Amino acid sequence: AQSVTQPDIHITVSEGASLELRCNYSYGATPYLFWYVQSPGQGLQLLLKYFSGDTLVQGIKGFEAEFKRSQSSFNLRKPSVHWSDAAEYFCAVPNQAGTALIFGKGTTLSVSS
Amino acid sequence: DAGVIQSPRHEVTEMGQEVTLRCKPISGHDYLFWYRQTMMRGLELLIYFNNNVPIDDSGMPEDRFSAKMPNASFSTLKIQPSEPRDSAVYFCASRPSGRATGELFFGEGSRLTVL
Repeated sequence: AQSVTQPDIHITVSEGASLELRCNYSYGATPYLFWYVQSPGQGLQLLLKYFSGDTLVQGIKGFEAEFKRSQSSFNLRKPSVHWSDAAEYFCAVPNQAGTALIFGKGTTLSVSS
Repeated sequence: DAGVIQSPRHEVTEMGQEVTLRCKPISGHDYLFWYRQTMMRGLELLIYFNNNVPIDDSGMPEDRFSAKMPNASFSTLKIQPSEPRDSAVYFCASRPSGRATGELFFGEGSRLTVL
């Protein structure tokens, strides 16, 4: 069955430091993969998505993610974190029918000054 | 363009009361989703509609929960009677048809507290 695992519940990064958030998926075929961000009190906003092609995907706000089939991973990265990046981040894959998204439990990012 | 609109943003009620959450999807979107977010379980898909027809309600926790979509621009999620364990943030999302699974557009959520 399709599933997503985000191993890190909470990560703290210093402002200006690099960031990597981990996502591992279980999916029967070549997956579509998504990263969403949720700021406090807000809904979820799409950061980036992978459907096919280049395995390094660029998103909004300076984020990127790399699809690695051999590791079943789709980790999110940012070279230099800003205080405004503090939020909760969710990785997602389609359900078996391909009609809805299944989300990981999320990683909360705190940014220290 | 208006996004997905949910109401109320916050609801505090007492156990046993009926709760109705409302959602207006983005115009032209054929799919509408209801998700529930809790600390323990994360984001859970409750039910989704395609062209106003419920497609999969296997995520609805129990018979106390019901959802309707009487037309393309309105959906409700009802809990009757409510219980403290229903306290959560309920999100509505929509997307257009086309690609098998595309981006979901989320509302800002309805935070429900059942005392």
